[in-house]
Amino acid sequence: EAGVAQSPRYKIIEKRQSVAFWCNPISGHATLYWYQQILGQGPKLLIQFQNNGVVDDSQLPKDRFSAERLKGVDSTLKIQPAKLEDSAVYLCASSLGTAGGNTIYFGEGSWLTVV
Amino acid sequence: GDSVTQMEGPVTLSEEAFLTINCTYTATGYPSLFWYVQYPGEGLQLLLKATKADDKGSNKGFEATYRKETTSFHLEKGSVQVSDSAVYFCALRNNDYKLSFGAGTTVTVRA
Repeated sequence: EAGVAQSPRYKIIEKRQSVAFWCNPISGHATLYWYQQILGQGPKLLIQFQNNGVVDDSQLPKDRFSAERLKGVDSTLKIQPAKLEDSAVYLCASSLGTAGGNTIYFGEGSWLTVV
Repeated sequence: GDSVTQMEGPVTLSEEAFLTINCTYTATGYPSLFWYVQYPGEGLQLLLKATKADDKGSNKGFEATYRKETTSFHLEKGSVQVSDSAVYFCALRNNDYKLSFGAGTTVTVRA
């Protein structure tokens, strides 16, 4: 079974530029998550989708971050304009549903460096 | 809100040593508890989980028991290998469906 796919794996941009990350979840998984992992910290949830609807985006900095999941499958996360503190690994994850016992599967992450 | 506190690292030990990583949590209700592992350059992988009190999760020689009375989910392995070198994250998932992580513990095993 294919896992969660993410691209690009690595990206270096200058501050104030924009960047977009793409995620393809495991087939059949209705719930999709974007996490931000700053070096030395645990991942922090940015946004959670259930099919193509947003369940939770309370920690998404909406002045610069946006995310969409058109057609309830693939998702993109965009940052515009980027700041130095956005340097982090952006992890996409998916699960069959939102029940507490459902396993959440993570992709390998997209590593962003803002210079 | 829900939170997870885990033992600070880094932890360095020799091959075949015993490993314990402490994890405690604060949550309302009855969360599910998880340990995830992140090997160098890779994404997070689920190591084990427990969904109710007194459940024991186990995988690859690692074990953790859900202790509601002490709100703990400590990770243990009796004999570590060099290949166990990684960052270990304790996490919980509650009724709000969010996965909340601890800060991670870096483990280095020397040959």
